[in-house]
Amino acid sequence: DTGVSQDPRHKITKRGQNVTFRCDPISEHNRLYWYRQTLGQGPEFLTYFQNEAQLEKSRLLSDRFSAERPKGSFSTLEIQRTEQGDSAMYLCASSPLGINTLRVNEQFFGPGTRLTVL
Amino acid sequence: AQTVTQSQPEMSVQEAETVTLSCTYDTSESDYYLFWYKQPPSRQMILVIRQEAYKQQNATENRFSVNFQKAAKSFSLKISDSQLGDAAMYFCAHNQGGKLIFGQGTELSVKP
Repeated sequence: DTGVSQDPRHKITKRGQNVTFRCDPISEHNRLYWYRQTLGQGPEFLTYFQNEAQLEKSRLLSDRFSAERPKGSFSTLEIQRTEQGDSAMYLCASSPLGINTLRVNEQFFGPGTRLTVL
Repeated sequence: AQTVTQSQPEMSVQEAETVTLSCTYDTSESDYYLFWYKQPPSRQMILVIRQEAYKQQNATENRFSVNFQKAAKSFSLKISDSQLGDAAMYFCAHNQGGKLIFGQGTELSVKP
């Protein structure tokens, strides 16, 4: 076991390139979340899925960002035409779905993918 | 707006002493949950303690406890018998629908 895993852990890219990150949630968790964290700040919500359905997207998620969770298991976050302002830690989290609403809201985080855009 | 405010960017505590980290929040939800997360340097975020807003009793997890004041929308974290391993960024958060809203964090250092 397995906690939430993310790949890659670090990514350095040049401005204008596309990047894709992967997140594998805890296996029995139905909900999967993406957050972005810049240095010295708390995580900011980007989007989340329940199974394969994307239920909410933040206004922070510009049209250059797209997330998928095609089979309701792992998820990918793609950033097209990266900009220097995209440099941040991208965190993935998951939570279970069930009748225990506290458990539903308790999110377990992965180690993050640190993106540096040169 | 749904916000979480942590007014202490940095805090310091002597090993074995007690420290309290402050957090205030604003939400229009009638039922919600509050969390404290710990993020050690270069390590992933882990849940420290959680509080259900409809419960008046303050949550406790070993050396960690909260002081939850619902009317004041205050949710402080008390760490007793501080240990070197408690050094980390601490984030307060509440849920809004399916997502978490985080504060800016408090960096806690522990002096031996």
